[in-house]
Amino acid sequence: AQKVTQAQTEISVVEKEDVTLDCVYETRDTTYYLFWYKQPPSGELVFLIRRNSFDEQNEISGRYSWNFQKSTSSFNFTITASQVVDSAVYFCALSEAGTGGFKTIFGAGTRLFVKA
Amino acid sequence: NAGVMQNPRHLVRRRGQEARLRCSPMKGHSHVYWYRQLPEEGLKFMVYLQKENIIDESGMPKERFSAEFPKEGPSILRIQQVVRGDSAAYFCASSPGQGGQETQYFGPGTRLLVL
Repeated sequence: AQKVTQAQTEISVVEKEDVTLDCVYETRDTTYYLFWYKQPPSGELVFLIRRNSFDEQNEISGRYSWNFQKSTSSFNFTITASQVVDSAVYFCALSEAGTGGFKTIFGAGTRLFVKA
Repeated sequence: NAGVMQNPRHLVRRRGQEARLRCSPMKGHSHVYWYRQLPEEGLKFMVYLQKENIIDESGMPKERFSAEFPKEGPSILRIQQVVRGDSAAYFCASSPGQGGQETQYFGPGTRLLVL
């Protein structure tokens, strides 16, 4: 069965610190997709990244980077030099393909506080 | 290029009333998903629809909840005889193709408060 675990409920850092948000997933499929979404205090959901199971290359986008490791079933998200505007809830999510799976299963989220 | 639109953004209902939530997908998207987010929790899948078809409603409560996506017009999530436990944020997402392979783009959500 699908499952996404974000063990960190809340993280608090001071501005300019680096912070890593952990995500561990479970799936029986060999083809699947992983996502990160950001939910700022205003409440909307902002898509950050999608990664498919065949592409283990790490990705960097500005201050954001993602480390995908199939061996440990993890898809961790690092924010470098955090800023107050990064304060939000971050959700990791998983979708399976090929078995009719289309539901995106979300983790419980990690609330990030960045203090000035 | 407008994103996913949801209205109303906020909805207040008294117990026993009906709530109707609307979702207009992004242009070119024919797949719609509804999720519910209870306070301080993650999103839970409710239902997946294509035009005029419910593909999977395994996440929908068995009673009082229904969803449709007509040929013309927005997708509607309908909650009859609302109870306090229905208070939540309801998010709609859309994708151009089947959700497992496509990124789902989310609307701003409808916050339902049941008094």
